[in-house]
Amino acid sequence: AQTVTQSQPEMSVQEAETVTLSCTYDTSESDYYLFWYKQPPSRQMILVIRQEAYKQQNATENRFSVNFQKAAKSFSLKISDSQLGDAAMYFCAYRSGGARGANSKLTFGKGITLSVRP
Amino acid sequence: KAGVTQTPRYLIKTRGQQVTLSCSPISGHRSVSWYQQTPGQGLQFLFEYFSETQRNKGNFPGRFSGRQFSNSRSEMNVSTLELGDSALYLCASSTEGAGGTEAFFGQGTRLTVV
Repeated sequence: AQTVTQSQPEMSVQEAETVTLSCTYDTSESDYYLFWYKQPPSRQMILVIRQEAYKQQNATENRFSVNFQKAAKSFSLKISDSQLGDAAMYFCAYRSGGARGANSKLTFGKGITLSVRP
Repeated sequence: KAGVTQTPRYLIKTRGQQVTLSCSPISGHRSVSWYQQTPGQGLQFLFEYFSETQRNKGNFPGRFSGRQFSNSRSEMNVSTLELGDSALYLCASSTEGAGGTEAFFGQGTRLTVV
């Protein structure tokens, strides 16, 4: 079974600074996808960024980028120029690739609460 | 385009009762998944429905069940409620529910069992 570990329960960053959130995972599969989701106080999970395991290039979405280290099974999220609206809970998640529908579930880490200081 | 809609938003039930939660996916999405979120266990996968068929199931007791209708709307039912069932229940919809396809989440139903 796949597992996702987020070992830091909380982090804090100064507005406009950069912060990195850590995530490690364990799997024996070679085809999979990794995601970072944001859950603000409204509780609605919002996709921040996704990474395909077969791609060596790290994904980026505006101020958000990942450092994907496949051999180390590490998938960290970097938030640049942090904004007050970035304050939320962030979850790292894993989904198997393979046949359509074969394993559709997302496996989540415990999450990390990010606060942004003005 | 309307997002994923979950009803009700809040629910208080008594131990032993049963409850039904509803999820309306984004138009055109055929996959609907359910997750339970608690402070202790985090986010756990309950089950996934695709074209009215349960395609995947998590490790939950048989008291947790679901179904999907022809319009892709899904319901989740919990019978004989226990205090430990108190949680935020999240529904997610996607086109295929596989691989890198994005799962869009609703705002959840907060269930409190007293």
